Amino acid sequence: DPKIIQKPKYLVAVTGSEKILICEQYLGHNAMYWYRQSAKKPLEFMFSYSYQKLMDNQTASSRFQPQSSKKNHLDLQITALKPDDSATYFCASSQDGTGFTEVFFGKGTRLTVV
Amino acid sequence: GDSVTQTEGQVALSEEDFLTIHCNYSASGYPTLFWYVQYPGEGPQLLFRASRDKEKGSSRGFEATYDKGTTSFHLRKASVQESDSAVYYCALNSGGSNYKLTFGKGTLLTVTP
Repeated sequence: DPKIIQKPKYLVAVTGSEKILICEQYLGHNAMYWYRQSAKKPLEFMFSYSYQKLMDNQTASSRFQPQSSKKNHLDLQITALKPDDSATYFCASSQDGTGFTEVFFGKGTRLTVV
Repeated sequence: GDSVTQTEGQVALSEEDFLTIHCNYSASGYPTLFWYVQYPGEGPQLLFRASRDKEKGSSRGFEATYDKGTTSFHLRKASVQESDSAVYYCALNSGGSNYKLTFGKGTLLTVTP
């Protein structure tokens, strides 16, 4: 059974629209992350949350907003979508945010902006 | 900033061939180094890691040795199988309280029987 659930698996959006990518983890972890994988770039770190608090934001654009309603949820809201936002977005989690525990990744949401 | 360079973008081998994927890094401080594997339709999975100079990480027949002198963490396997076909990523974490992994571009390994 997948322990990190990402919804939807595939998403097609129109330029200028807004979408929310869902992530829930059932590993009992206290730290959660978002990474992005596009065709032209390697996996890129976007955000890290620890105990529902934002720890690090490496995303240049404020169009990307993580939302943590529960400890095991970290959704990603993307506004004013652009074709360059097309990528696979991976949610990940670890026991804590110290860097000494293994990071587990979900299967990703593939976003296509047309 | 931190960076990871994987020399090979694609590697094509036959079963039982020897595998080497080169990984060099640039980072401040003393990073932890990782190899991840990604199968189609899946997220990356940790293969193994190493945290100090000369430490060898290994899993499923794959191994790599942390070399601080040459800033390298090359992945090797003596005899690959078709099931090893996947994308392999070298990554690092510079430490600190914010767990940020910096990944290389990945190497697509294709093994034919």
